[in-house]
Amino acid sequence: GIQVEQSPPDLILQEGANSTLRCNFSDSVNNLQWFHQNPWGQLINLFYIPSGTKQNGRLSATTVATERYSLLYISSSQTTDSGVYFCAVEAYSGAGSYQLTFGKGTKLSVIP
Amino acid sequence: GAVVSQHPSWVICKSGTSVKIECRSLDFQATTMFWYRQFPKQSLMLMATSNEGSKATYEQGVEKDKFLINHASLTLSTLTVTSAHPEDSSFYICSAPDGTETEAFFGQGTRLTVV
Repeated sequence: GIQVEQSPPDLILQEGANSTLRCNFSDSVNNLQWFHQNPWGQLINLFYIPSGTKQNGRLSATTVATERYSLLYISSSQTTDSGVYFCAVEAYSGAGSYQLTFGKGTKLSVIP
Repeated sequence: GAVVSQHPSWVICKSGTSVKIECRSLDFQATTMFWYRQFPKQSLMLMATSNEGSKATYEQGVEKDKFLINHASLTLSTLTVTSAHPEDSSFYICSAPDGTETEAFFGQGTRLTVV
């Protein structure tokens, strides 16, 4: 099946700093999503971005499908940005359906 | 975005009992829903695909007799953990794709503790 690798696994930032999270995937995908998992476990949709660039406030994302990677940019980080960021790709499962495969996540800690 | 509601948020049960978890799409219809399991500090692993009006499709290694899935309507899928044991303790989370595209939306998750 498809492999999804996220880097770095852990990241500690001072409040106000910027960061870039990376997601590499091993095969062609139908779509790609970025999520933020808050301390209570809820997955918050950040971006649905099979290709191109999108921006939402302090966050932006770019997916280069031909080179099989996506980047999530966080600018002017805040303590509320802390949590785990997951990249998930949708690809054909080989069993007649498409399914999401998650990376292992990047744990972000923003300190005051 | 679309809203998926999961209930309960947390449950504690005794070994040997069964627990039912509900997943509802509140503002859209979902012919397909997905159930994931997440162990502490790990990623989400797909357990099964729930199909409205037909049998669920289970991933390799997931016991279909232990994790019963029913998708009786276009807005509700249920996961029943039967004869639960401590090793079934985990975070279970469901998702459904918005019909317009394939963006997935997730429920709040259910933290199951079996004692």
